[in-house]
Amino acid sequence: EAGVVQSPRYKIIEKKQPVAFWCNPISGHNTLYWYLQNLGQGPELLIRYENEEAVDDSQLPKDRFSAERLKGVDSTLKIQPAELGDSAVYLCASSREGTGGRNEQFFGPGTRLTVL
Amino acid sequence: AQSVTQPDIHITVSEGASLELRCNYSYGATPYLFWYVQSPGQGLQLLLKYFSGDTLVQGIKGFEAEFKRSQSSFNLRKPSVHWSDAAEYFCAVGAMNRDDKIIFGKGTRLHILP
Repeated sequence: EAGVVQSPRYKIIEKKQPVAFWCNPISGHNTLYWYLQNLGQGPELLIRYENEEAVDDSQLPKDRFSAERLKGVDSTLKIQPAELGDSAVYLCASSREGTGGRNEQFFGPGTRLTVL
Repeated sequence: AQSVTQPDIHITVSEGASLELRCNYSYGATPYLFWYVQSPGQGLQLLLKYFSGDTLVQGIKGFEAEFKRSQSSFNLRKPSVHWSDAAEYFCAVGAMNRDDKIIFGKGTRLHILP
């Protein structure tokens, strides 16, 4: 089966510009996650979707970050406007169902964002 | 809330030598424990996981980990490393609560000497 697909793989923008990341999860996976991974750190959850519902967005900086998962499949994460501190890798993951911390999450390759 | 500590930021071992990566967790009940590996420019891949039962867990690529409740540890081991094992390794802890997230450690970067 195909894995989690993310695009673009790399993005360089100037501060205050908008940017969007796209994720296509594994077919049949109802739960989708967006993570932020800073250099030298582990992934930190930004938002978790179960189907099209955002069930945990407590760590999403809502003043500049937004996400959507229309039709419960693909998802888009947006930053507007981007700041220097947003430079990081943005990982998307999916799992079969969101029954707590039990399910294996499958990760995409990530999008490396550089804000100049 | 759960937390994970990986005490070693970098580990260097010679090819063919044994490996142990340390992981300590904090959680009030029986945790779900995971080890992931991340190669440069790649996403995370699950090596192994512990939910219950046998405390010695076998994973892919010849890795194993042992859950020690008394020490709150879940160390990753491999008897003989290969150059291709050079990567970043993340320990993670999850919980039984449906709404709880998986918490990742900061990672240990493994370097292999030829």
